Amino acid sequence: QVQLVQSGAEVKKPGASVKVSCKASGYTFTDYYIHWMRQAPGQGLEHMGWINPNTGGTKYTQRFQGRVTMTRDTSISTANMELSNLSSDDTAVYYCARHGIKYYYYGVDVWGQGTTVTVSS
Amino acid sequence: EIVLTQSPATLSLSPGERATLSCRASQSITNNYLAWYQQKLGQPPRLLIYGASNRATGIPDRFSGSGSETDFTLTISRLEAEDFAVYFCQHYFTSPHSFGQGTKLEI
Repeated sequence: QVQLVQSGAEVKKPGASVKVSCKASGYTFTDYYIHWMRQAPGQGLEHMGWINPNTGGTKYTQRFQGRVTMTRDTSISTANMELSNLSSDDTAVYYCARHGIKYYYYGVDVWGQGTTVTVSS
Repeated sequence: EIVLTQSPATLSLSPGERATLSCRASQSITNNYLAWYQQKLGQPPRLLIYGASNRATGIPDRFSGSGSETDFTLTISRLEAEDFAVYFCQHYFTSPHSFGQGTKLEI
């Protein structure tokens, strides 16, 4: 079955970086964008950006520009999101999700289980 | 950036009643690139509706979406106990693919 499985919870100190991975299975990895979203405790969802696994092309939401890097490794069907210079405001659950490239109309249809990132001194 | 405003913030209803949730966009969303999600505590969002009015795979027909351009609606025709959750709209027209702030549907 189609799945996105994310890496485990992280605890980081302010100023550090975190890297979250998202392993895809059950479909052709390069046929779908991977989007990254986050959700702070008790808050709504925030779109961070996306990567096209076919080309490696990325688009980052402006407020994360300069701090976020999205990469992929097609040999292991895995997308990664690295966020640097962390602060307590970055404490959140981070989600990856897929979105069809050819079938764009169908929206974001499968989500990872989420990765909790806690930033604390 | 397109801003999505959902209303109401909280909706208190009973099982069997009809729920109507609104999502208003700050500018027109071309091609109806608008989705609705349901989220329960501790779980990722679940796609309900894409393209403003199309039910995703496995979604019961009591869920329906409507609207175009800047005004969109999610309707749940007869609420069941499992429907009490938080609902988000999201557009995917331009980056960033912003979300509404959510509507909490409570008993």
